[in-house]
Amino acid sequence: KAGVTQTPRYLIKTRGQQVTLSCSPISGHRSVSWYQQTPGQGLQFLFEYFSETQRNKGNFPGRFSGRQFSNSRSEMNVSTLELGDSALYLCASNVGTGVPYEQYFGPGTRLTVT
Amino acid sequence: DQQVKQNSPSLSVQEGRISILNCDYTNSMFDYFLWYKKYPAEGPTFLISISSIKDKNEDGRFTVFLNKSAKHLSLHIVPSQPGDSAVYFCAASSAYSGAGSYQLTFGKGTKLSVIP
Repeated sequence: KAGVTQTPRYLIKTRGQQVTLSCSPISGHRSVSWYQQTPGQGLQFLFEYFSETQRNKGNFPGRFSGRQFSNSRSEMNVSTLELGDSALYLCASNVGTGVPYEQYFGPGTRLTVT
Repeated sequence: DQQVKQNSPSLSVQEGRISILNCDYTNSMFDYFLWYKKYPAEGPTFLISISSIKDKNEDGRFTVFLNKSAKHLSLHIVPSQPGDSAVYFCAASSAYSGAGSYQLTFGKGTKLSVIP
């Protein structure tokens, strides 16, 4: 079974621009979550989508948004990029119902904002 | 306010010995705990989990212990191997928060170095 895939793997953007990251979950998984990893804050939860609906949201500003498609693929968008948005963005998937609650992560997208 | 804490940023262990990684949590609503391993330039890899109804879970060389009264869990790796060198993250979720079950709260990680 193929794992979680994320595209692109690396991205360089300028302050003020916007960016869209893509995630394809493991086949059969309907829950997709996004996390931001930075050296100072560690891994922080952004949001989770299940069956095209946002089910959970972390404490991030409205510039961070996402969506999920009917095939469970998900995109994350960051508008008006700031230098502090430079991070590794990780996508994770899960079946989405019942135990277990393990998240299976993709390799991440490394975003650099200059 | 950090709800999941890994107080040791790094740990060095000789090959063949036991590695013990520790994690503390403050949120009493957490009732499902996980450990992940992360290599550079890769996403975290799930290792082992434990529900709060248990105090121990074992999978091969990896054992997780949970002490609910102390709000503490630990990961034991026996015997440690050089390939175990990585950053280990502790994570927690609240299984009974309904929609929140799949939201993991992570510690900041402990870098384990296993010396040959």
